[in-house]
Amino acid sequence: GNSVTQMEGPVTLSEEAFLTINCTYTATGYPSLFWYVQYPGEGLQLLLKATKADDKGSNKGFEATYRKETTSFHLEKGSVQVSDSAVYFCALRGGSNYKLTFGKGTLLTVNP
Amino acid sequence: NAGVTQTPKFQVLKTGQSMTLQCAQDMNHNSMYWYRQDPGMGLRLIYYSASEGTTDKGEVPNGYNVSRLNKREFSLRLESAAPSQTSVYFCASSEVTRGNTEAFFGQGTRLTVV
Repeated sequence: GNSVTQMEGPVTLSEEAFLTINCTYTATGYPSLFWYVQYPGEGLQLLLKATKADDKGSNKGFEATYRKETTSFHLEKGSVQVSDSAVYFCALRGGSNYKLTFGKGTLLTVNP
Repeated sequence: NAGVTQTPKFQVLKTGQSMTLQCAQDMNHNSMYWYRQDPGMGLRLIYYSASEGTTDKGEVPNGYNVSRLNKREFSLRLESAAPSQTSVYFCASSEVTRGNTEAFFGQGTRLTVV
C-alpha cells in the first residue's frame, strides 16, 4: 500500500534560518504529492503540490520538487519567519485512489 | 465561502455515550472523508465516501459508523464512545475526477471521552 515517511520533529529554528523537512514515499504508479500546513487550533491547509516527476510546487516561499528517482518530496524554505510555526504534513494520492495518505507531521517552531 | 463546516467544535462524552459529528461542504465535491489526528500518529483515515451513496472503510474504522446523507453532508457516529476515541476529528472533501486534486479540510472537532 501507499505510505509516507517524513522527518520527525520537533524542529526549532531561529528566524531567517533555512528549513528542510524531508519526505519520502512508497506508492505504485505515479502519485500526486502534497504538503499541508496546520496552524495552531486550525484545520489543514494545502501549502503546495506536484503532480508529476520533476514538478516543483511553490507557495509563500516554500518549495518542494517531486523526485521520482529518490521517491522524495522534501520541503524547503530559504528564510523562515515566526509566522511559519506550524505542523507540516507530507501526503500523497496515488493514481485513481480516492484516499490521501499522510505522514505523521513535523512540528516547526521558529523563534525570533 | 464556507468550504467544509464541522460541528461541534468541542465535545466531552462519558464512556458509553453516543454522538454524531456533522460535516457539510459547499464545493459540490463528490468525495468526502473522516480522519482522526492523534499525537505522533499523524492523520489516519476512518471512513471515506468516494461519491454520494457509497462509503468505505479506511485504516481505523472500528467503533465508528458513517452516513453520506446527500452530496453535501457526511456524518460520523460513535455508537458507544471509549476513551481511546479521544482525538481531534477532521472532515475533508475533494473532487477526484483527476488524481491530483487536493482535499479541503474543516476546522476539526476536539472530542474527549472520559
